[in-house]
Amino acid sequence: IAGITQAPTSQILAAGRRMTLRCTQDMRHNAMYWYRQDLGLGLRLIHYSNTAGTTGKGEVPDGYSVSRANTDDFPLTLASAVPSQTSVYFCASSDGSSGGYSTDTQYFGPGTRLTVL
Amino acid sequence: GQNIDQPTEMTATEGAIVQINCTYQTSGFNGLFWYQQHAGEAPTFLSYNVLDGLEEKGRFSSFLSRSKGYSYLLLKELQMKDSASYLCAVVDSNYQLIWGAGTKLIIKP
Repeated sequence: IAGITQAPTSQILAAGRRMTLRCTQDMRHNAMYWYRQDLGLGLRLIHYSNTAGTTGKGEVPDGYSVSRANTDDFPLTLASAVPSQTSVYFCASSDGSSGGYSTDTQYFGPGTRLTVL
Repeated sequence: GQNIDQPTEMTATEGAIVQINCTYQTSGFNGLFWYQQHAGEAPTFLSYNVLDGLEEKGRFSSFLSRSKGYSYLLLKELQMKDSASYLCAVVDSNYQLIWGAGTKLIIKP
């Protein structure tokens, strides 16, 4: 692997179902993030993790949860999907060497296109 | 509130020069990023400015004026592959990254 991978590439999900989006990076980056991207809006941060074992809430965390058991993996779970969670989801990572995530260059995965019906 | 403004869409001709503007109103400033995003793909890093002035990287240059809350991305010698969305993002005083909605650039032959 080189960089960040996400799975699945796309998914159609019935409302109320549970879904986990997977994200794995092989760059040994400390920080990882989940964004959603909707037409006409900027990327919105859902959750982030500055280092393995820690997570934090972003701008739009409701309905989503994350875990960071190790450096490489950062799964995003929708406990009970709703149609408003239809979006493209991007996972990203950064070195985190600046001590805070925001001033480091972020490297993005290819995205997961999720449709909730 | 915090706000990043970029034009929604721009059109330019192959071989020409285009300037994509970004204005911001944020609680403080700790840097500004430009990312490129081709349709259906992930954003990729183009530039990061934290000090006023122009930074040049090949065909792409990025300018920042902190006093005016303004940045632009300048693309020279446009190629068809430059057709993409260009995202402006600002780091505020709390080190939160605020993203603009992006500018879709269409290059015509």
